[in-house]
Amino acid sequence: NAGVTQTPKFQVLKTGQSMTLQCAQDMNHEYMSWYRQDPGMGLRLIHYSVGAGITDQGEVPNGYNVSRSTTEDFPLRLLSAAPSQTSVYFCASRPGLIFNYGYTFGSGTRLTVV
Amino acid sequence: AQKVTQAQTEISVVEKEDVTLDCVYETRDTTYYLFWYKQPPSGELVFLIRRNSFDEQNEISGRYSWNFQKSTSSFNFTITASQVVDSAVYFCALPRVDSSYKLIFGSGTRLLVRP
Repeated sequence: NAGVTQTPKFQVLKTGQSMTLQCAQDMNHEYMSWYRQDPGMGLRLIHYSVGAGITDQGEVPNGYNVSRSTTEDFPLRLLSAAPSQTSVYFCASRPGLIFNYGYTFGSGTRLTVV
Repeated sequence: AQKVTQAQTEISVVEKEDVTLDCVYETRDTTYYLFWYKQPPSGELVFLIRRNSFDEQNEISGRYSWNFQKSTSSFNFTITASQVVDSAVYFCALPRVDSSYKLIFGSGTRLLVRP
């Protein structure tokens, strides 16, 4: 099915470990982004990309890296996991840079850092 | 600054009741868009509707309807004849009109439909 695919769905990490959350979309969307969802904090933008080779920081980028080598993929890297990064992570994409397009979200990755 | 307020934290209804979820937004932009998303217990975020600031017509899609009023900065969502499967958290969202295209979400309204 066309859409945004996130892997893994669940992950437990130890403090200090690194890992990559994968995000892939097959809709040829130019714009991709990562959000984290925390109780009482809502959804917060981590990083975003307006096209291959272009990335920028959102409101909570510390501790995360991203790259966009292809239109389809936008992985999120946790450099050294901390308990504060325990959250649900969502990848979202949209077609182009026109504001009226809706965002398509992946199914989420639930990450626990112990 | 842009802001979305969903004052109703949680609503509980009995199946077949109608229910309205409120959304009030703030923006200085003259052109803007508003979205509603549904987050069922399984956790994914499902897009429901998009509305632009030029179109104040109400919209109906099956049991769902939306009432957009610029005069009161509101974009309310009504479910008619609610069903248990409607139980979810519903988010109203406003995309920031800058290069980040960041979605500004309300805090969400948790809807529980009891059989």
